Amino acid sequence: DGGITQSPKYLFRKEGQNVTLSCEQNLNHDAMYWYRQDPGQGLRLIYYSQIVNDFQKGDIAEGYSVSREKKESFPLTVTSAQKNPTAFYLCASNPGTTETQYFGPGTRLLVL
Amino acid sequence: QKEVEQDPGPLSVPEGAIVSLNCTYSNSAFQYFMWYRQYSRKGPELLMYTYSSGNKEDGRFTAQVDKSSKYISLFIRDSQPSDSATYLCAIHKAAGNKLTFGGGTRVLVKP
Repeated sequence: DGGITQSPKYLFRKEGQNVTLSCEQNLNHDAMYWYRQDPGQGLRLIYYSQIVNDFQKGDIAEGYSVSREKKESFPLTVTSAQKNPTAFYLCASNPGTTETQYFGPGTRLLVL
Repeated sequence: QKEVEQDPGPLSVPEGAIVSLNCTYSNSAFQYFMWYRQYSRKGPELLMYTYSSGNKEDGRFTAQVDKSSKYISLFIRDSQPSDSATYLCAIHKAAGNKLTFGGGTRVLVKP
C-alpha cells in the first residue's frame, strides 16, 4: 500500500526534553511538509522540503528542527525551546506534478 | 488580517440537506484551490481541487470559485451523517509550492 505513515500516534514529552516525530512516505514524492494544528484552528506550516538535503522554514519554525537525508523520510524534532508543543502534528507530501498535498494520519503530542 | 478566512461553525444541518461552505482570500496571486475533509483526530483527505473560476462537480460535491470576488465555496448535496467532519479550504500560490489553509468549518449532519 502506498501512503504516508507517521509514528507514534501519541507522544508524551517531559519538560526540557527533545522528541522526534517520524514521517515516512513510499509515494516517491519529492516535497514533504510538517504542519501543526491546534484545537479549532487550521494548519500552520512548520518546515518543508522540496528535495533531499534541503529544507526551508515555514511560518512557525521556532523551537523545531528537521532533516531530509532520504527522499522517503522527513523527521521533525520538537526541541525544549518550543514552550507550547501540545498540538496535533501532520506530515504531508506533494508529487510535484500537481499542487495538492497528501497527509499522514498525524501524531498527537502531549506535555507531561 | 489572515490570508484565508473561513467561518469556524459549527454548521448543523438535518440529513439530506445541502451543506454550503465558504472561504474568502485576500491575495490575488492565489491560483489553485482545494477542499479537504478532516475527521476527528485524523489527517485531512483531499476532496476537491480546482484552478479556474466556475463550478467543478464530483458526485455529491460541487466546488465553486469566483476569482473576481476572491471567494470559494463547497456544496454537499444530500448530506449524510458520515459527512460530519471539519472541512478545510486550502489555497496555493504559483510561487513557493505551499498551501495556505483556512481555519476549517465543523459540520454536523443530524440523522
